[in-house]
Amino acid sequence: ETGVTQSPTHLIKTRGQQVTLRCSSQSGHNTVSWYQQALGQGPQFIFQYYREEENGRGNFPPRFSGLQFPNYSSELNVNALELDDSALYLCASSPTRDRVADTQYFGPGTRLTVL
Amino acid sequence: AQSVTQLDSQVPVFEEAPVELRCNYSSSVSVYLFWYVQYPNQGLQLLLKYLSGSTLVESINGFEAEFNKSQTSFHLRKPSVHISDTAEYFCAVMRSSASKIIFGSGTRLSIRP
Repeated sequence: ETGVTQSPTHLIKTRGQQVTLRCSSQSGHNTVSWYQQALGQGPQFIFQYYREEENGRGNFPPRFSGLQFPNYSSELNVNALELDDSALYLCASSPTRDRVADTQYFGPGTRLTVL
Repeated sequence: AQSVTQLDSQVPVFEEAPVELRCNYSSSVSVYLFWYVQYPNQGLQLLLKYLSGSTLVESINGFEAEFNKSQTSFHLRKPSVHISDTAEYFCAVMRSSASKIIFGSGTRLSIRP
């Protein structure tokens, strides 16, 4: 059973550019969540997808958008990058929408640096 | 709204000494509580969780946490730490009917030989 994988590992962009980060869910998981972890802070919830539909969103502007595909893999897109977008972006998958069993399993993250 | 406070940003301890990492939460509704661990240059790993039932929960590597509803706390403890426990520890809360996990700011546990 493979765990949650993310690509790329590291990425450097400049202000104003756009970026796409990718995540493959753990086998059998149909829900994926994205988090932003700034240096020295805890992760902050960006949004969650369940069966290709957005299922909750945190306090992030619309330039943060996402997709979930039929195989439950996911993308996070960020437009018009700002310096403050520099962070570790974490993807987490969970096996079901049932909150009682909703343990989220995290990938290793993508480190984004915006210059 | 829920929030999580981790009272210590850093906790240095000697190897084989006991440790307690403190976590308090605020919520007006029932919640689930988690401790995640993040080793250097890695993602988050679930250490243990409280959903319901027994207020004392344990992990496979000797950590335990106790849910205290009256004090709204979920402190993490280990009676004897090892060098390999060096990591950042995050306390987190999730409303039982919501999508997102809310994390604390983390506690860096450093073990001295």
